[in-house]
Amino acid sequence: GAVVSQHPSWVICKSGTSVKIECRSLDFQATTMFWYRQFPKQSLMLMATSNEGSKATYEQGVEKDKFLINHASLTLSTLTVTSAHPEDSSFYICSASSDNEQFFGPGTRLTVL
Amino acid sequence: GEDVEQSLFLSVREGDSSVINCTYTDSSSTYLYWYKQEPGAGLQLLTYIFSNMDMKQDQRLTVLLNKKDKHLSLRIADTQTGDSAIYFCAEMDSSYKLIFGSGTRLLVRP
Repeated sequence: GAVVSQHPSWVICKSGTSVKIECRSLDFQATTMFWYRQFPKQSLMLMATSNEGSKATYEQGVEKDKFLINHASLTLSTLTVTSAHPEDSSFYICSASSDNEQFFGPGTRLTVL
Repeated sequence: GEDVEQSLFLSVREGDSSVINCTYTDSSSTYLYWYKQEPGAGLQLLTYIFSNMDMKQDQRLTVLLNKKDKHLSLRIADTQTGDSAIYFCAEMDSSYKLIFGSGTRLLVRP
């Protein structure tokens, strides 16, 4: 079946630093990948839609300069949280689209001190 | 905008059936999904149903869709303790984005 990986699975960083999270589709090519954010005990909030070779489409209220998304190939999308602050601490989940299904990565837990 | 709603919590006894309900607002949804999330993990696709279907069965899982009422349900037969998790329903909108419900926490008591 379709497998999506994320790296790292968890990261702790100091306030003001930048953190990059990778999302890879391991056994299929994904022209579209999605980035979600999930707060504790809450649902997933779509942050942006990432299309290979083009700029990401951000949802309303998501700062594109804060959350940089790059989709350089059909199997890799990256999310960089720039100048991270404690309020950016969250669980970040990516998904990759194939046909009409979305396959989710295991998530990355970011803690900003 | 689109909205998907679920009840927050369900508790059942091991061996009983569980029914998790979901309502949605977007009548143009083509696919509706059920995902399972265990603590600290990503989402696992359980099953999905195309909008022109009324029912889909997959082993212990039965999905019922009432398109007129925009109501979706997931029935888990013979619920086991390993089924304890959060269950999200989601609809795919016309731009292929998934709109998630708030999640239903299922607790299976021994």
